[in-house]
Amino acid sequence: SAVISQKPSRDICQRGTSLTIQCQVDSQVTMMFWYRQQPGQSLTLIATANQGSEATYESGFVIDKFPISRPNLTFSTLTVSNMSPEDSSIYLCSVGTGRNGYTFGSGTRLTVV
Amino acid sequence: GESVGLHLPTLSVQEGDNSIINCAYSNSASDYFIWYKQESGKGPQFIIDIRSNMDKRQGQRVTVLLNKTVKHLSLQIAATQPGDSAVYFCAETGYNAGNMLTFGGGTRLMVKP
Repeated sequence: SAVISQKPSRDICQRGTSLTIQCQVDSQVTMMFWYRQQPGQSLTLIATANQGSEATYESGFVIDKFPISRPNLTFSTLTVSNMSPEDSSIYLCSVGTGRNGYTFGSGTRLTVV
Repeated sequence: GESVGLHLPTLSVQEGDNSIINCAYSNSASDYFIWYKQESGKGPQFIIDIRSNMDKRQGQRVTVLLNKTVKHLSLQIAATQPGDSAVYFCAETGYNAGNMLTFGGGTRLMVKP
């Protein structure tokens, strides 16, 4: 299975600023997924990022707030823009095919003050 | 400390006992199901999966049972060990979901020595 390197592992940010999270995969993958895990809760899909096309966002998430880049088949970034304390969460990237399991990065723990 | 699992239902078992974690899934069209384990400060780790054409699958010390009639999934852990303490999530997907995972609410497993 793929190995994902996600960074930063954690950050404390001032409200109104932006943070870009990076995920590097050790193999080429078509689909990458970005999730949010709010404190004490399960994972919620933010968007699906395929190389060469615009990311597809789930209900409640918009591109202006969570812009995503997918420049090649091994890399993606998620930016959390104009942050507020409500954005404090763990953000995770994932890759998978739907038939052989999905692998997750170690997550980015974001605290907005 | 890590906030994953802070507000989730908790299952407390004695070391050496068997654990059963239950999950109700939502989409009757889902055809692929996965159990994940999430330890503090880490991303979800794949434990075991099952496809909808099966009702039981066994791994090392773990068994997944699928009841499609009532849309219920369970994870059985034999001879539970302290290292099994974590939050456990079920996830579902299917072709009509674009291979995107939908996660269940999660259960925190605490193993008492």
